[in-house]
Amino acid sequence: QITLKESGPALVKPAQTLTLTCNFSGFSLSTTGVGVGWIRQPPGKALEWLAVIYWDEGKRYSPFLKSRLTITKDTPKDQVVLTMTNMDPVDTATYYCVHVKSLYYDLMTAYYNVCVDFWGQGTLVTVSS
Amino acid sequence: DIPLTQSPSSLSASVGDRVTITCRASQSVSNYLNWYQHKPGKAPTLLIYAASSLQTGVPPRFSGSGSGTDFTLTISSLQPEDFATYYCQQTYSSSWTFGQGTNVDIK
Repeated sequence: QITLKESGPALVKPAQTLTLTCNFSGFSLSTTGVGVGWIRQPPGKALEWLAVIYWDEGKRYSPFLKSRLTITKDTPKDQVVLTMTNMDPVDTATYYCVHVKSLYYDLMTAYYNVCVDFWGQGTLVTVSS
Repeated sequence: DIPLTQSPSSLSASVGDRVTITCRASQSVSNYLNWYQHKPGKAPTLLIYAASSLQTGVPPRFSGSGSGTDFTLTISSLQPEDFATYYCQQTYSSSWTFGQGTNVDIK
């Protein structure tokens, strides 16, 4: 059974760095095709993808936030960490850690077709002075 | 970045209604299109992956279709537990994007 749980501060001040940890179980980030990502949802707004890290150390970031994000993994600890620098009140959101499943390798595009099949419960982060 | 536009943004429907939500991509995403259901206070859940494949455990009243730029999520007979917000997501580009969401509420 796959589970993911986010942890981190509920309140951060503007300009501070946010560090979120995802502890997961039921899978290994050393398994081919597996990834762990982060998605957030500001209050009353849509889902927004932030970053993903794959079994092969591959990383992808939202181009709008790339300069502020870092995603890392600790495979033996079954843990993924996301840091976001220079926090602003507009970054107030529920942050979700997610399991990314590779469906198949597309020979035409040389991409893995993927989906998010498990989500953590989410953690609300408020940015305020 | 590949923007996704969902329509409608919201709809009111009754139990038993057939509901259709569309998702249009600004460029082709092949079949790299997933659908999620999100209820308030809960984590989203995967309904459809690769445009038309039903996720394990999801009732067969949910179905997805489309390829390229135009996609559809259909609920054949709306049930009380289906009132929620629905999102499409593309993973074709290395920068994933979500639609703005479609809120389905009770008429």
